[in-house]
Amino acid sequence: GAVVSQHPSWVICKSGTSVKIECRSLDFQATTMFWYRQFPKQSLMLMATSNEGSKATYEQGVEKDKFLINHASLTLSTLTVTSAHPEDSSFYICSATQGASTDTQYFGPGTRLTVL
Amino acid sequence: KNEVEQSPQNLTAQEGEFITINCSYSVGISALHWLQQHPGGGIVSLFMLSSGKKKHGRLIATINIQEKHSSLHITASHPRDSAVYICAVRGNTPLVFGKGTRLSVIA
Repeated sequence: GAVVSQHPSWVICKSGTSVKIECRSLDFQATTMFWYRQFPKQSLMLMATSNEGSKATYEQGVEKDKFLINHASLTLSTLTVTSAHPEDSSFYICSATQGASTDTQYFGPGTRLTVL
Repeated sequence: KNEVEQSPQNLTAQEGEFITINCSYSVGISALHWLQQHPGGGIVSLFMLSSGKKKHGRLIATINIQEKHSSLHITASHPRDSAVYICAVRGNTPLVFGKGTRLSVIA
């Protein structure tokens, strides 16, 4: 089946630093990738949708200058949390679809970010 | 915006019990997903359905479009089924997620 990986699985960083999270589709080409954030015991919240080779579409309330998304190839999307602060600590999950954004989404295992 | 409600929020069952988790939504949709999130956080897509019923192993998902309601059933539950089960719906917007149902199956 379609597999999506994320790296790193967890990261701890100091306040003010930037952190990059990678999302890769291992055995398929991902036309569309999604980035979600999940706070403890809360539902997943969509942050942005990215299509290969074009700018990401951010959901309302998500700062695009703080959460930089790059979808440079059909198998890789990156999320960079710039100038991270403790309130950015969360579980970040990516998903990918093989075709249209309405197709089945395959989820990555998530990255737990802790900002000290 | 679609409102997605799941019930119950928490569920504890004895091994072997038949389990039902419910999902209701407020606006018409094109598809509904059932997802399973394990304690470590990883998410697995269980079903995507737009009508009727689907079955995979001990899992059954049904949807009633007119009533805007879906159910996920687990037959012969097992401790390894312990996880958070999330309902997500798609309409004209990206996926909208319910808050999940935390299931604990006790041996």
